[in-house]
Amino acid sequence: DIVMTQTPLSLSVTPGQPASISCKSSHSLLHSDGKTYLYWYLQKPGQSPQLLIYEISSRFSGVPDRFSGSGSGTDFTLKISRVEAEDVGVYFCMQGINIRTYTFGQGTKLEIK
Amino acid sequence: EVQLVQSGAEVKKPGESLKISCKGSGYTFSDYWIGWVRQMPGKGLEWMGVIYLGDSDIRYSPSFQGQVTISADKSIGTAYLQWSSLKASDTAMYYCARRGRYHYGLDVWGQGTTVTVSS
Repeated sequence: DIVMTQTPLSLSVTPGQPASISCKSSHSLLHSDGKTYLYWYLQKPGQSPQLLIYEISSRFSGVPDRFSGSGSGTDFTLKISRVEAEDVGVYFCMQGINIRTYTFGQGTKLEIK
Repeated sequence: EVQLVQSGAEVKKPGESLKISCKGSGYTFSDYWIGWVRQMPGKGLEWMGVIYLGDSDIRYSPSFQGQVTISADKSIGTAYLQWSSLKASDTAMYYCARRGRYHYGLDVWGQGTTVTVSS
C-alpha cells in the first residue's frame, strides 16, 4: 500500500493568518496517463468529509480560493491563505492512483487560536 | 440536488449479521463508482472498497477483502455494505462516497452510518 504521511498532525492558527499542511506519499502518485491522483478533504466537526482539492491543485466546486494545493510526485502541500473560523476541522490527503487501494493521510487537526 | 443518503444507526451483538445501505439521488447512478470508508472512533479514514453501479464491478481493499461484502441494486441506485458475523472491532462510522467521473475524487459523501457492536 502507498503510505500517506501528513505533517503537522495539529496546528492552531489565528484568524486571518496562513496555514500550511504537508503530505508525503511513499510512492509517486504520477500516473502513466499524466495525471497525479492526490486529493485533499476537510472533515468539519460532526460532519462527513468534503472534497476540497483534486489532482494536486484543482479546487472542487464551491471551494473558496483561499484554499490552494501544490506539489508533485511524492510531496504535496495544502495552503490556506487566510484562515477563517469555518475552516476548523481535520484535513486529510488521499492518494487515488489505484481504485482498489486508495489511502488517506492520518489527518491534520486545525484549530483557531 | 445530488446526494447520498445512508441507512440509520445500528446496534448489534458480536456474531450478528448486518447490511447497511447508501441511496443516491439527483444523478445517473450507473455512471459512477460508490465507495465505502471506515472511520473508527477518534481515528482516520480507511478505504474499504468500491462498486461500479453500471455493471456491479467490485474492488475490495486487501485489508477488507473477505471481511465485508459490497453489493448494489442499480435499479434503485443503492449500494450496500454487509457483514456476516460482526466483531466488536467493527464498531465505527461507515461512509459511502461517490467517485467523480472526471476527477476521480470522492465528491459526494453520505451522512455516515454508525455501527456499534457490543455484547
